[in-house]
Amino acid sequence: GEEVAQTPKHLVRGEGQKAKLYCAPIKGHSYVFWYQQVLKNEFKFLISFQNENVFDETGMPKERFSAKCLPNSPCSLEIQATKLEDSAVYFCASSLGQGVLGYTFGSGTRLTVV
Amino acid sequence: GENVEQHPSTLSVQEGDSAVIKCTYSDSASNYFPWYKQELGKRPQLIIDIRSNVGEKKDQRIAVTLNKTAKHFSLHITETQPEDSAVYFCAASRVFGPGTRLSVLP
Repeated sequence: GEEVAQTPKHLVRGEGQKAKLYCAPIKGHSYVFWYQQVLKNEFKFLISFQNENVFDETGMPKERFSAKCLPNSPCSLEIQATKLEDSAVYFCASSLGQGVLGYTFGSGTRLTVV
Repeated sequence: GENVEQHPSTLSVQEGDSAVIKCTYSDSASNYFPWYKQELGKRPQLIIDIRSNVGEKKDQRIAVTLNKTAKHFSLHITETQPEDSAVYFCAASRVFGPGTRLSVLP
């Protein structure tokens, strides 16, 4: 499609529960990016994919966060054992290139950990 | 790793005035500098970008300048309108600056 589709729009989890977020990039875009935006507005880069391969995972907290982009499936970002500080809006973006073309962002998933 | 600084963090201008937002970056290998506008509760949207082989780019009321030697780039909005009010983010490749909240006062 012509939009980056993120689901769900809102997700509430108790501390310690698992959270899984999904992202369908624009058809034909081979790069997918995940960002975390907390209340102070700052965007923290988490991970990027080139097709189903991890391209850059320097921003990923290693212990509880994982992500995948499998063929013919939406990409996913999973947080195991959520903590209060994981509360944020998680944006997915897709692009035709990495670092040479602008991103199209999805509408985000607001994760609230209570 | 790459670090992007952005100033000011907040900016208020009168309608019709110009607004300038400045960013600096640390990685001299960066070669792509987009700007995004994010309205309250919405997704960021690309408004203009510039590549390292270009010093200036203009699109109607928006312009961006790049000084690769000094590693800084700026966004210029002329004839500001209330609908320009938003948070603006610069980026160097995949690293975003902390944002500037622009308020255009009628």
